[in-house]
Formats: sequence, C-alpha cells, structure tokens
Amino acid sequence: DGGITQSPKYLFRKEGQNVTLSCEQNLNHDAMYWYRQDPGQGLRLIYYSQIVNDFQKGDIAEGYSVSREKKESFPLTVTSAQKNPTAFYLCASYGRNTEAFFGQGTRLTVV
Amino acid sequence: AQSVTQLGSHVSVSEGALVLLRCNYSSSVPPYLFWYVQYPNQGLQLLLKYTSAATLVKGINGFEAEFKKSETSFHLTKPSAHMSDAAEYFCAVRRANQAGTALIFGKGTTLSVSS
Repeated sequence: DGGITQSPKYLFRKEGQNVTLSCEQNLNHDAMYWYRQDPGQGLRLIYYSQIVNDFQKGDIAEGYSVSREKKESFPLTVTSAQKNPTAFYLCASYGRNTEAFFGQGTRLTVV
Repeated sequence: AQSVTQLGSHVSVSEGALVLLRCNYSSSVPPYLFWYVQYPNQGLQLLLKYTSAATLVKGINGFEAEFKKSETSFHLTKPSAHMSDAAEYFCAVRRANQAGTALIFGKGTTLSVSS
C-alpha cells in the first residue's frame, strides 16, 4: 500500500540534544512538507521541498534543518537551537493532483 | 497572501443534530479548498476538496461543503451527527494551478458530540 510513514511515533529528547524525525513516502510524490502542530494553533509550516536536493524555509524554520537526498525521504532534524521543541510533527506529500497526504505524526517531548 | 479563518474553536452538538463548521478564506487567485479531520494522536485525513468544479462538494462520512465565492466561505456540514464524528477539523487553502505549494491551515475546530 502506498503512503507516508513517520517514525518514531513518540520521541523523547533531553535538552541540548539534536533529534531526527523520519519521513518516508512511496507515493512517488515530488513535494514534501513538515508541519508543526501545537494545541489551538493549527498546523504551521516548518520546511518544504518541491524536488530532490532542494528545499525552502517555511514560516517557523528557526531551530530546524532538513535534507532531501532522495525523492522518498525528507528527514527533519530538531536542533538544540529550537527553544520549545515539544510538539506534534506532521509530514505530508503532494503529487500532481491537489490534495496532501499525511503521515501519522511524531510526538516529540523534551525531558 | 492567502489565509483561512475557522470561526469557533469548539463546537458541541447532540447526536443526530446538524453539524456546521465555518471556514472563511482569503485568496487573490482562485483557491483550492480542503477540509481535513484529525483524531487524537493521528495524522490528517482528507474529508473533501474543492478544485473549481462543482461548488457543492460531497466527501466521506456524509460530510459536504459548499464553495461560495461571494461570501469567501467553505463551510462544512453534516445533516446528522454521529458520536464517531467527534474530532478536530481543519480547513485549508492552496493556490490553484501551482503544484507543490503548501497548504495554509486554519487553527482548527474541535467537534464534540453528546448522546
């Protein structure tokens, strides 16, 4: 079955550590996106990539980094520079049709 | 710039009652509009989408939405609420005819359904 896989589902990070969230898709989509979700704030765009080896900052990119070395993969690194990383992170991909497909999310908690 | 406003962060209905979740958008070009549903600790699932075809769009689970350009609205309705409809709902807008452009989301509306 085609879809988007995010891992892990739950992630705990100590302050000062970098952590990487995985996002893999087998839908053959060119565009991939990372969103952050906080209660009452909806989804905010962190980074997006429309093609391999290219990506752009979204609205809240500070403290995050990404790479797009393969079409199928778009990992997100939450660095120690992100002051409030505890949130629910969602990865999405878009094909040539119009809607986005989402993964099941990763809940990151700083301990 | 495009934006989405969802009126009411929380809506409560009784089982069997009409569900109405409000969404207004702002866009300088013809928009593509979407409604997504999210259950706790899960990703978003597409309910329905408007892509400049019929203005009344039918989706999954008995939901539908009507695109009204004059009112810049895309409200979500369901004639009879079911307990399983309790979830968070997001309205989103995407610029038409531009592949790869990110969705812009509203802040969401939590729907509660009581028996």
